[in-house]
Amino acid sequence: EDQVTQSPEALRLQEGESSSLNCSYTVSGLRGLFWYRQDPGKGPEFLFTLYSAGEEKEKERLKATLTKKESFLHITAPKPEDSATYLCAVPQSNSGYALNFGKGTSLLVTP
Amino acid sequence: DVKVTQSSRYLVKRTGEKVFLECVQDMDHENMFWYRQDPGLGLRLIYFSYDVKMKEKGDIPEGYSVSREKKERFSLILESASTNQTSMYLCASSPAGGFFYEQYFGPGTRLTVT
Repeated sequence: EDQVTQSPEALRLQEGESSSLNCSYTVSGLRGLFWYRQDPGKGPEFLFTLYSAGEEKEKERLKATLTKKESFLHITAPKPEDSATYLCAVPQSNSGYALNFGKGTSLLVTP
Repeated sequence: DVKVTQSSRYLVKRTGEKVFLECVQDMDHENMFWYRQDPGLGLRLIYFSYDVKMKEKGDIPEGYSVSREKKERFSLILESASTNQTSMYLCASSPAGGFFYEQYFGPGTRLTVT
């Protein structure tokens, strides 16, 4: 059965304190892994797509990496504006269209 | 930039009412999706459409129907709203093609059924 698990559920960081969020998955034949950021009361905002193990993508203070079993979202020297819920998603094994989303990591960065 | 818009940010309806949620995308995407998002349950797919007039059930289609008469517009219909349909509803779109492409989301509609 397809599963996407994110950890931790919540993370509190001081401004400038780097850390990583984890997304582990079990799907048959990975066809991509997607990271989103969601601010309270808003729709998810697309961040990155990773298609193969070893791939890395960067955007400002965020860097996403992918292995055969998990992905990490590394946050370097975070700022309060990085506070949000971060979601990862992978395509369902038996679908050409549908995504399975993890439940997200809620990140709070304090000044 | 891809733009996905939803007809209402907040909606309050009574039990038994028929509810229409509309979504419009301006990037000529083939695929469109309706999700609901609830605390502790995450995002769950209700229905999706991969072409005009084509639709497929997602993980939780019960109590919902959809309509896609034009490529840019995808409507979610609650035939007879119930309190357990109180939720945040999110529409998304994505291009079609050989790869599995990212989905772009609208701002969401917070629906309350009383």
